[in-house]
This record gives sequence, C-alpha cells and structure tokens, in this order.
Amino acid sequence: DTGVSQDPRHKITKRGQNVTFRCDPISEHNRLYWYRQTLGQGPEFLTYFQNEAQLEKSRLLSDRFSAERPKGSFSTLEIQRTEQGDSAMYLCASSPSGSRYEQYFGPGTRLTVT
Amino acid sequence: KQEVTQIPAALSVPEGENLVLNCSFTDSAIYNLQWFRQDPGKGLTSLLLIQSSQREQTSGRLNASLDKSSGRSTLYIAASQPGDSATYLCEGGGGTSYGKLTFGQGTILTVHP
Repeated sequence: DTGVSQDPRHKITKRGQNVTFRCDPISEHNRLYWYRQTLGQGPEFLTYFQNEAQLEKSRLLSDRFSAERPKGSFSTLEIQRTEQGDSAMYLCASSPSGSRYEQYFGPGTRLTVT
Repeated sequence: KQEVTQIPAALSVPEGENLVLNCSFTDSAIYNLQWFRQDPGKGLTSLLLIQSSQREQTSGRLNASLDKSSGRSTLYIAASQPGDSATYLCEGGGGTSYGKLTFGQGTILTVHP
C-alpha cells in the first residue's frame, strides 16, 4: 500500500498522560500536514512541514503540542498532559512537490481522553 | 481569514434522487476549491478539485461548480445511491503560502434504499 498511513488508529488515554502519533506520508511527497477534526466539524489545520522544516503552526497548536519530522520522511505529533478537549481525530496528509493543494489524507488517529 | 460554510448540515434522500450540496466561502481569492468525501471514522478522499480559473469539474455522477464572484460552490450528485452516504466536505484554499486547507463543517448525506 503506497498511501498515507497513521499509527495508531485509535488511542484511549487518561487525562494528564502524554501521547504520540505517527504519520508515514507517500514516499515521494516532501510536504506533510497535520489536521485535527472534532465531531461534527471539518478538519482544522495544525501544522505543516516541507521536508524536515516546520514552516507553519496554527494557534490551535498550544505549547502542549509538538510535531517533528526529523529526516523529512515520517512525522510524529506529541501531546503532553492531555486534556479532555484534545479528544478528536488527528489527520495527516501529504502532497507532492509543485502541487501543495493536492493533499492525500491518511485514515486518521482517533484520540479519546478520559 | 477564509471561512467556509456548508448548507445543509444534513440531508436524507431516497435512492435515485438528484441532489445539490452548497458551499460558500468568504475569501474569493481562493487558489482551488475541493470537495472531499469522508466515511465514518475514516480519512478524507478528494472527489473533485476546481482550480480558480475553472468554472466546473465533472467525475461520473458528480459535478462541482465554482462561482468566485459570489463566493459559492455546489456539488451536484446525480441518481444518488446508498453507497453515496457519507459526509461531504468543501475546502476553499485561501491565498496562503503553504497549502493550508480551510474546510467547511460538512454535509452528512444519507441515501436510503
């Protein structure tokens, strides 16, 4: 399968715990995006990487959130000291060079904070 | 700041009906407009992408139109089928540098046999 993959698909955690999600983009795509989607809403942009450089961060990305893409391939999104309001679907997307709007989405990671 | 609104929030139709989903956006300086489909608990699948210089795109039973001057797009689904049941999301890419997509809240479509 050559699509965008995300791991885990589901995560249940207790309030205050740290969680980390992984995204593997399509191999030749140098752009990678993270979005958050709450129930009944469309996805909201969180952050964007071009290769290993994080070029834009939304104000939604508080200081408890950190994203990395150390080698310009896979990316991780970490949430520290989770809160119930962090419960959402976290979506990753990637796009090829020269077509930043043609984004391919992964299946998402569903986070539930209890 | 781009804002995207979709109407209706939910729609239930019998199989075979033709239907229209509506999307409006505030920033007419969009780069592209896309319609996505999302099945429950799943990621997004791009259905149609209309570039800013285009007026419409067609794929099978789907037709999407774009009117930048009025800030509107419509997605037309012909001869709806139960398999079309999903959430349909409209995305209006504003003039940002890095392809940040701005989505509407979606229309939940149910096509019943």
